Amino acid sequence: GAGVSQSPSNKVTEKGKDVELRCDPISGHTALYWYRQSLGQGLEFLIYFQGNSAPDKSGLPSDRFSAERTGGSVSTLTIQRTQQEDSAVYLCASSVKEAGELFFGEGSRLTVL
Amino acid sequence: EDQVTQSPEALRLQEGESSSLNCSYTVSGLRGLFWYRQDPGKGPEFLFTLYSAGEEKEKERLKATLTKKESFLHITAPKPEDSATYLCAVLSGGYNKLIFGAGTRLAVHP
Repeated sequence: GAGVSQSPSNKVTEKGKDVELRCDPISGHTALYWYRQSLGQGLEFLIYFQGNSAPDKSGLPSDRFSAERTGGSVSTLTIQRTQQEDSAVYLCASSVKEAGELFFGEGSRLTVL
Repeated sequence: EDQVTQSPEALRLQEGESSSLNCSYTVSGLRGLFWYRQDPGKGPEFLFTLYSAGEEKEKERLKATLTKKESFLHITAPKPEDSATYLCAVLSGGYNKLIFGAGTRLAVHP
């Protein structure tokens, strides 16, 4: 595809359930980022993948959050035992090299009841 | 700790009424300052990168400027289609992650 693709676009889940969010970056982009945007807030960095290097996980808010990137392309963000405070829009972005000019997907809106 | 503060939080303009948005930052070793536009329900869209004080970039009715402490996004004769949230972000030190401000919600009315 021409842009960053994220799925699902909307997810409603019950507290305590696990969720998986998927990101398909732009072909050829080696860097992939996950950000979280809560209502009326700025973007909060979660995790960064660059090629075959170890990911920068410094933004993950708790050990309930994890992410992987398979084959240097598609990434999955997993949230275990979801809590209401996890409700937010989860944005994925990719770039050709280092951070800066990021290309964002439209996000996955997560609502935890 | 790196910080980015944007003001005002919200701005309402009449069509044609020029104004400026502010982004002030505190970082250790600025490597770049970035402006993005975000429409409701969409991901942010890249606008500009500024690397050093005194640098300016322009695109249509938008002009971004940079000093050692802040950046301005000047909007000249805005149109309703310029309505969006404008986000500022910085890249600093040895990190490869953008630190974003909370944004300015701009509404331009005909």
